[in-house]
Amino acid sequence: EIVLTQSPGTLSLSPGERATLSCRASQSVGNGQLAWYQRKPGQAPRLLIYGASNRATGIPDRFSGSGFGTDFTLTISRLEPEDFAVYYCHQYATSQTFGQGTKVEIK
Amino acid sequence: EVQLVESGGGLVKLGGSLRLSCVASGLTFSDAYMSWVRQAPGKGLEWVGRIRGKGDGQTTEYAEPVKGRFTISRDDSKNTVYLQINSLETEDTAVYYCTTRGIFWGQGTLVTVSS
Repeated sequence: EIVLTQSPGTLSLSPGERATLSCRASQSVGNGQLAWYQRKPGQAPRLLIYGASNRATGIPDRFSGSGFGTDFTLTISRLEPEDFAVYYCHQYATSQTFGQGTKVEIK
Repeated sequence: EVQLVESGGGLVKLGGSLRLSCVASGLTFSDAYMSWVRQAPGKGLEWVGRIRGKGDGQTTEYAEPVKGRFTISRDDSKNTVYLQINSLETEDTAVYYCTTRGIFWGQGTLVTVSS
C-alpha cells in the first residue's frame, strides 16, 4: 500500500498569501495518478487537481498541482477567504489511498 | 445533473453486519466506476474500495484494512451500488460516502458501531 504523508499538518496564513502543501508518497506514484481534494465542514470533497497537475472543471487557476514520482505539491497562489479548508492528496495508481490532510487556517 | 444518495447507515452492535446502498442518477450507471470512501470522527478521508463498470468486468478492489469483511456489489438495473460490511468493528464507525470519478459524491450515511 502506498502511504501518503502530507505536510504541514496545519498551515496558518492570511488571505492573499501563497499556500504550498506537500504530499510525499512511500513509493513512486505511477503515471502521476495523484489528485488533490478540498474539504469543508458539511460539504462533499471537491476535486481540485487530477493527474498531478490537471485542474478539474470549474477550479480557479489560483490552484495548481505539480510533482511526480514520490513528491507532489498543491499551490494556492493567492488565498481567498473561501480557500480556508482541509486539503487531501489521493493516489489512484496502486489501489487507492488518501493522505491525512493539511488544514489551511486563517492566521 | 449527477446525484448520488446513500442510505442504510445506523447504530449497529459490534460484530454485526450492515448493507449500505447508493442510488445514482444522471449518469450512464452501468459504465461508471463506483467507489466508497469513509471518514471516521475526527479523522481524514479513507478509501474503502471500488467496483468497475460493466465494460471492465465489474471487478472490485479493496483497501487492505477492510479486505475480507467488506464487499462491494452493484445492480445496474437499479442504478445502485452496495457496500456490505460484516464483522463490524468499532473502527468502522464513520460516515460512508459513495463517489464516482472523485467528482460526484453523495451526502454520506453514518454508521455507528456500539460495543
